[in-house]
Amino acid sequence: QKEVEQNSGPLSVPEGAIASLNCTYSDRVSQSFFWYRQYSGKSPELIMSIYSNGDKEDGRFTAQLNKASQYVSLLIRDSQPSDSATYLCAVKRGYSTLTFGKGTMLLVSP
Amino acid sequence: DAGVIQSPRHEVTEMGQEVTLRCKPISGHNSLFWYRQTMMRGLELLIYFNNNVPIDDSGMPEDRFSAKMPNASFSTLKIQPSEPRDSAVYFCASSLSQGIYTEAFFGQGTRLTVV
Repeated sequence: QKEVEQNSGPLSVPEGAIASLNCTYSDRVSQSFFWYRQYSGKSPELIMSIYSNGDKEDGRFTAQLNKASQYVSLLIRDSQPSDSATYLCAVKRGYSTLTFGKGTMLLVSP
Repeated sequence: DAGVIQSPRHEVTEMGQEVTLRCKPISGHNSLFWYRQTMMRGLELLIYFNNNVPIDDSGMPEDRFSAKMPNASFSTLKIQPSEPRDSAVYFCASSLSQGIYTEAFFGQGTRLTVV
């Protein structure tokens, strides 16, 4: 069973729309959750972290966590072509290392 | 801060040759990670060090792979002998600690091609 699952996409949205990226995880005691963005040919860069159930907003980005459903999502409002990238969900249990999903490719068309 | 620095950025080598990848973590960070990324398997953790000590090397694929961290500012990942299936992008990452809420910062990666 995969530990962190993401739809590989691509998820295509028009410019200005809301992009919704989803992630499920199998380890019920996972405690911290991260979203990384990776442009083609580049390294992953952290864009959001969330640790408690509910929503966390940072600019155009909102992370949502539901530990009961083992589900974490990332919403991108007013999507821009520059948001086109692969978004990696990562999960950490306690002091362990990060476990990454394979990522969802997002394409924002002008 | 210069971030995590990896070298070389690209490496092309022939099967059977030894390959050494290098990493300088962010100054002050005491956890260092080596990841490998492929289309098929995504981002996989190979090994991680805490305070220069290898803590978990369960992701190292086989004995051909070895990693060292002789001091807080330098780590190497060595493949000997290399095989075509080792072709991938290898990332080094570092974090301030292994706390619950600490995130990892990635270097630019080394794209390895074994022909």
